[in-house]
Amino acid sequence: EAQVTQNPRYLITVTGKKLTVTCSQNMNHEYMSWYRQDPGLGLRQIYYSMNVEVTDKGDVPEGYKVSRKEKRNFPLILESPSPNQTSLYFCASSLIWPGSEAFFGQGTRLTVV
Amino acid sequence: DAKTTQPNSMESNEEEPVHLPCNHSTISGTDYIHWYRQLPSQGPEYVIHGLTSNVNNRMASLAIAEDRKSSTLILHRATLRDAAVYYCILRDDLIFGNEKLTFGTGTRLTIIP
Repeated sequence: EAQVTQNPRYLITVTGKKLTVTCSQNMNHEYMSWYRQDPGLGLRQIYYSMNVEVTDKGDVPEGYKVSRKEKRNFPLILESPSPNQTSLYFCASSLIWPGSEAFFGQGTRLTVV
Repeated sequence: DAKTTQPNSMESNEEEPVHLPCNHSTISGTDYIHWYRQLPSQGPEYVIHGLTSNVNNRMASLAIAEDRKSSTLILHRATLRDAAVYYCILRDDLIFGNEKLTFGTGTRLTIIP
């Protein structure tokens, strides 16, 4: 079954404690990205990757890092989380092709206290 | 990418057709029209996309105005499982690697049993 898997689904952490949210896809997609969803602001792109070792900033990259060492994995790293990073995070993947369908993960609800 | 305008909310009776409108008067010639939906507590899900011609798939139909300044997503027989926020998104798919989806506020569809 084609899917994007995120872990963990829920996470409560304290300010400054480094964390990683994992994302894995099984569709051999070149393109992967991270979004955050906040009430009233909708979904906004954080970072994206067009292939292995190729990553770039989205609209709201501050406070986040990513890496793409393997095609299937695209972890999101918060080196020093702050309360304003409390949000719902989604990973997505797709082919790089006109009209390509994006597949989203189930989401990670992160709370930073 | 050009902007879209959707009603904030709509209601429909179960087992009846639903027509979800989207205005995109500043659409460019290479913008594809994408529709995604987000069910409660889930990640966004692809519904359908089109460029100029009307499109049908197992989930829905997409009717595109002749001047492409508006489109309508049609759910032929709404069920309770179709209750979701529906997003109409324009994206220039002919720019290589431009896979970012710019989500607006969407239309919250409520299905009445």
